[in-house]
Amino acid sequence: AQSVTQLGSHVSVSEGALVLLRCNYSSSVPPYLFWYVQYPNQGLQLLLKYTSAATLVKGINGFEAEFKKSETSFHLTKPSAHMSDAAEYFCAVSASAGNMLTFGGGTRLMVKP
Amino acid sequence: EAGVAQSPRYKIIEKRQSVAFWCNPISGHATLYWYQQILGQGPKLLIQFQNNGVVDDSQLPKDRFSAERLKGVDSTLKIQPAKLEDSAVYLCASSFRGEGNNEQFFGPGTRLTVL
Repeated sequence: AQSVTQLGSHVSVSEGALVLLRCNYSSSVPPYLFWYVQYPNQGLQLLLKYTSAATLVKGINGFEAEFKKSETSFHLTKPSAHMSDAAEYFCAVSASAGNMLTFGGGTRLMVKP
Repeated sequence: EAGVAQSPRYKIIEKRQSVAFWCNPISGHATLYWYQQILGQGPKLLIQFQNNGVVDDSQLPKDRFSAERLKGVDSTLKIQPAKLEDSAVYLCASSFRGEGNNEQFFGPGTRLTVL
């Protein structure tokens, strides 16, 4: 069984500040991990994914995430927030086969001018 | 490249009525998924198809929900009869193959309101 926990349903940062969105997972098998972003009234868009090639994963729009097996974490970061980053962010896990995604509850990122 | 298409975008019905949603995946994608996203929550998988066969429908409420992908391309999801708790966004996604590291591409969703 797989599960994902996203700490903080709402995160607020100032423009230019560091963005840190937390994700912890549990999986009985080596996982694949994903971060998706959802803008209002739109579907989900992939930001980045971990597939065991490298523990530090770089994605689109300046985001990156680090896979830490010992902490079962896959936190999302961005050095400097932009107003356009305001959206809902979802962490998801899938097993090595089958590809069923299990999502966390989401974190709404708000960026203050 | 065209993305995943869904229709309608919005639907309002009364409880006990029936409703159907349509999804056209990205061309060439063998795997198709339907997710339910209740307001304030992450998406939850309802059903996964590989071509026209069902891979996983363990979380589909089969007493009222049904889905088909007859020719291995388009898919429809039906709810009959609808309940208030079915109010949600229904997302369709597709991937090239149903493997764990494959990216899933999502459509814009259908927002269902049950009154």
